[in-house]
Amino acid sequence: DTAVSQTPKYLVTQMGNDKSIKCEQNLGHDTMYWYKQDSKKFLKIMFSYNNKELIINETVPNRFSPKSPDKAHLNLHINSLELGDSAVYFCASSRTGVNSPLHFGNGTRLTVT
Amino acid sequence: TQLLEQSPQFLSIQEGENLTVYCNSSSVFSSLQWYRQEPGEGPVLLVTVVTGGEVKKLKRLTFQFGDARKDSSLHITAAQPGDTGLYLCAGEGTSGSRLTFGEGTQLTVNP
Repeated sequence: DTAVSQTPKYLVTQMGNDKSIKCEQNLGHDTMYWYKQDSKKFLKIMFSYNNKELIINETVPNRFSPKSPDKAHLNLHINSLELGDSAVYFCASSRTGVNSPLHFGNGTRLTVT
Repeated sequence: TQLLEQSPQFLSIQEGENLTVYCNSSSVFSSLQWYRQEPGEGPVLLVTVVTGGEVKKLKRLTFQFGDARKDSSLHITAAQPGDTGLYLCAGEGTSGSRLTFGEGTQLTVNP
């Protein structure tokens, strides 16, 4: 039943490791996103894909690499994790077009030690 | 980059009180969305306002879009503990560009 699901919910890892977060949506949306929410709760867009094509790529270190195998999935791989990467990462999806609301997953809390 | 400023950042009130949260910008938006986020969950859409001056009501919540489509407000009447959460406004640019989120207002309603 879950519309946007992401795994894992929690991720604790050491500096320098590589990790992935997976996201799937069953809403039939064409557009998917990755957002980062910092400790002050500010939500900042990282990437957006439309029909498997990258359309938004904000100023994000190239250690972060999104991959969209199909329009229902958008994964995020992070290389060489750093302390500053600790945050909650949210996947979201929406229909293509103006005024389309975002449907968010429940987030992945990444802690880098 | 279009910026959205929300105020207040934190609000702690007693059950039954009224409150207003503001979302302001110097930029014009084609629409403004309001979300509520509870701990451990993602933001959930409450409402979208599109027309300047538009007012929408959702039970005890009243949302208004400014006439110039640069600002918005959320008024809650007779707040309840269940209203506790992080309220986020998000504006969509006039060219249909990405959503820009405000910094959020953390509301706590004490019983």
